[in-house]
Amino acid sequence: GAGVSQSPSNKVTEKGKDVELRCDPISGHTALYWYRQSLGQGLEFLIYFQGNSAPDKSGLPSDRFSAERTGGSVSTLTIQRTQQEDSAVYLCASSLVRQYTDTQYFGPGTRLTVL
Amino acid sequence: SQQGEEDPQALSIQEGENATMNCSYKTSINNLQWYRQNSGRGLVHLILIRSNEREKHSGRLRVTLDTSKKSSSLLITASRAADTASYFCATRIDRGAQKLVFGQGTRLTINP
Repeated sequence: GAGVSQSPSNKVTEKGKDVELRCDPISGHTALYWYRQSLGQGLEFLIYFQGNSAPDKSGLPSDRFSAERTGGSVSTLTIQRTQQEDSAVYLCASSLVRQYTDTQYFGPGTRLTVL
Repeated sequence: SQQGEEDPQALSIQEGENATMNCSYKTSINNLQWYRQNSGRGLVHLILIRSNEREKHSGRLRVTLDTSKKSSSLLITASRAADTASYFCATRIDRGAQKLVFGQGTRLTINP
């Protein structure tokens, strides 16, 4: 079946511009996560959506970052006034939320380069 | 600070040898998961071990969990060149938030 998809796969932008990254989770998955991974580093949690609950935004690094999830499905991560330190791979994951079985399924990521 | 920390940060072995990676964490967990990442892109789930389990097997993978020491290990037996990747442990630390926290990963290289 279809997995998690992300678009674009690569994005090059100029410093100061806004970018939007899209994530299409697996159909029926109630939870959706965004992570950021800098070169050679681990995953940095950004934001988590679960059903109709208020999102956990505790990982967003600044108010330039925001995300929304429309209709409990597709999510968009927006970075305003991009900075060079925003360059990274942005990964989206979705999961079913059940006790002991919250395996996350990852998309291929969007590689963002800010010049 | 990171909840999970993998050790070593990098490991290079010969094909056919066994590879062992360790993960330590700080707070009580619901479960611990191991993921693999090739070429800096999406992660693939390998195995999940619950907090009330001590060992689990899946093919050439063996995972142990010691909740008293807050540590886990991932053993890959009879390694292959295709096992070359980064391996991450992730812990689910809060049943309410159900958020996984990832470590920094171990970069495994299998030399032919």
